Amino acid sequence: GAVVSQHPSRVICKSGTSVKIECRSLDFQATTMFWYRQFPKQSLMLMATSNEGSKATYEQGVEKDKFLINHASLTLSTLTVTSAHPEDSSFYICSAPPRGRMKGYTFGSGTRLTVV
Amino acid sequence: AQSVTQLGSHVSVSEGALVLLRCNYSSSVPPYLFWYVQYPNQGLQLLLKYTSAATLVKGINGFEAEFKKSETSFHLTKPSAHMSDAAEYFCAVSEMTGANSKLTFGKGITLSVRP
Repeated sequence: GAVVSQHPSRVICKSGTSVKIECRSLDFQATTMFWYRQFPKQSLMLMATSNEGSKATYEQGVEKDKFLINHASLTLSTLTVTSAHPEDSSFYICSAPPRGRMKGYTFGSGTRLTVV
Repeated sequence: AQSVTQLGSHVSVSEGALVLLRCNYSSSVPPYLFWYVQYPNQGLQLLLKYTSAATLVKGINGFEAEFKKSETSFHLTKPSAHMSDAAEYFCAVSEMTGANSKLTFGKGITLSVRP
């Protein structure tokens, strides 16, 4: 079945530094990738949608300059948290959309970001 | 616009008891509905999905859900809870209008199972 590999699974960084999270579709091509953020004990909130060959679409209230999303190829989408601060600490998950009406969404395993 | 409402944040049942997790949706087009389970510090695992076929959907681990259009509901049930069912459960909706159809999640329900 379809697999999205997300790395790293955990990362701790210092305030002010940048962190890159990668999501790769291993056995299929993903022209679109959804990026979600999940705070502890809360739901997943869509941050943005990356599209191969065009600019990402950000949800209202998400800072484009802080959360840089790039869809470099048909198998790679990245989220870079720039100048990270403690309030950016969260669980980030990517998801590829279904490849047919009967298929489901494919999720990465998530990245736990802790900014200290 | 699409949305999901999961009433309550926490459900506690005894082992062997019925599990019922409620989900109501709002969608401007016929929806596609999903239930996901999340264990601590892990990603999401699909339990089941409704894609306009049979209204009673059977999923993994003994879970099932029934799509009721008249009630705009998609409640998740399991006849007999197991300790391993303790986790966070999310209901989600998509209008599946193309490759860019985003998935909208409910706020989630924590299921606890008492011995």
